[in-house]
Amino acid sequence: NAGVMQNPRHLVRRRGQEARLRCSPMKGHSHVYWYRQLPEEGLKFMVYLQKENIIDESGMPKERFSAEFPKEGPSILRIQQVVRGDSAAYFCASSAMGRGPSFDEQFFGPGTRLTVL
Amino acid sequence: GEDVEQSLFLSVREGDSSVINCTYTDSSSTYLYWYKQEPGAGLQLLTYIFSNMDMKQDQRLTVLLNKKDKHLSLRIADTQTGDSAIYFCAESMRYGGSQGNLIFGKGTKLSVKP
Repeated sequence: NAGVMQNPRHLVRRRGQEARLRCSPMKGHSHVYWYRQLPEEGLKFMVYLQKENIIDESGMPKERFSAEFPKEGPSILRIQQVVRGDSAAYFCASSAMGRGPSFDEQFFGPGTRLTVL
Repeated sequence: GEDVEQSLFLSVREGDSSVINCTYTDSSSTYLYWYKQEPGAGLQLLTYIFSNMDMKQDQRLTVLLNKKDKHLSLRIADTQTGDSAIYFCAESMRYGGSQGNLIFGKGTKLSVKP
């Protein structure tokens, strides 16, 4: 019963290139969250998606960043024209229920560490 | 506004108790969490507490919540070297019909000396 999987674990890009980060949620989970952790900082929420829908993207920069969670396949966080300030660890989490009053744990993946040269 | 604050470092001796503190600002928080992050790894949920509770105990872990002061603490009894990690406090709210995202503090780095 695999947990949340992210790949690649480490990604190096030069300024101006594109970065694509993938997240496969736990089996049976249809809610995905992306967080960014800058060095020496806590995690900051970026975007919350359900299958084929973006529910909350209030934490995502307006330019260069996009996210999707298609009907089939992993969720993708895409960063176009990367800059040095994008260097961070990007974590994906998934949960089962999303909506509703009950506690719904978010399970985290191991993260993708992006380095922009 | 939403803000979660915690001290950055804590050093204890093996066998002692560790107490990690956290303050939060949003009184509408429904759940408060403690996560553990080991070097190079993702976050592992240690425990959580619902906002109408004062205390929760789970083996070596005790969570205390003072809702009036918006203060949350995590006590680890008999701290071991394997407990060395970064501990994140987080809160979540429920708004509209959607699940709230998690708001994290910057993390407390716990060092356990043998």
